[in-house]
Amino acid sequence: QKEVEQNSGPLSVPEGAIASLNCTYSDRGSQSFFWYRQYSGKSPELIMSIYSNGDKEDGRFTAQLNKASQYVSLLIRDSQPSDSATYLCAVIRDPFGNEKLTFGTGTRLTIIP
Amino acid sequence: DVKVTQSSRYLVKRTGEKVFLECVQDMDHENMFWYRQDPGLGLRLIYFSYDVKMKEKGDIPEGYSVSREKKERFSLILESASTNQTSMYLCASSSTRDRRRLNEKLFFGSGTQLSVL
Repeated sequence: QKEVEQNSGPLSVPEGAIASLNCTYSDRGSQSFFWYRQYSGKSPELIMSIYSNGDKEDGRFTAQLNKASQYVSLLIRDSQPSDSATYLCAVIRDPFGNEKLTFGTGTRLTIIP
Repeated sequence: DVKVTQSSRYLVKRTGEKVFLECVQDMDHENMFWYRQDPGLGLRLIYFSYDVKMKEKGDIPEGYSVSREKKERFSLILESASTNQTSMYLCASSSTRDRRRLNEKLFFGSGTQLSVL
């Protein structure tokens, strides 16, 4: 079982709709969760971080965390063509006091005009 | 804006060559990282450094070494390049002095696509 799992996609969403990206993780002791956006040929950029159960909203983006079910999701409202990118889920766990960051392989999102 | 600059966008090297990948950040960040990114495998940590002259192994350090002689510069060295080191290499930095939080809010460089023939 991978430590951080994402559906690779591609996920196609019409412009203006809600895009929903999901990520599951295997270590129940994971503490910090991040979403990075990576445009094709570019480097990853941090867009959201979440540390406690529930929702965290930032503009059109909402991160959702459910530690009991070990999943974290990213919702993008009013999707725009500029949201087309690969979204990387990243999780920090703390084995033996040493923080370890693990990335998922990413979900490719395409917004259809 | 934080700027993390990698010296080369594309590199082509031959098997057995010694390869240097350079990374410079301009925001006085404490921590610097080298990742490689491969399709289907995601981002994997090679080495990181939380201070000048300090380095720690990541998940896949074999075949690599690093150097951090100055705070702003972190070099990745492939001692004897092999074809399985063909990959996209990404440098990153973060600002926190808290060693328990150094992975939070990474700023990435634009990457170096290395091909080893």
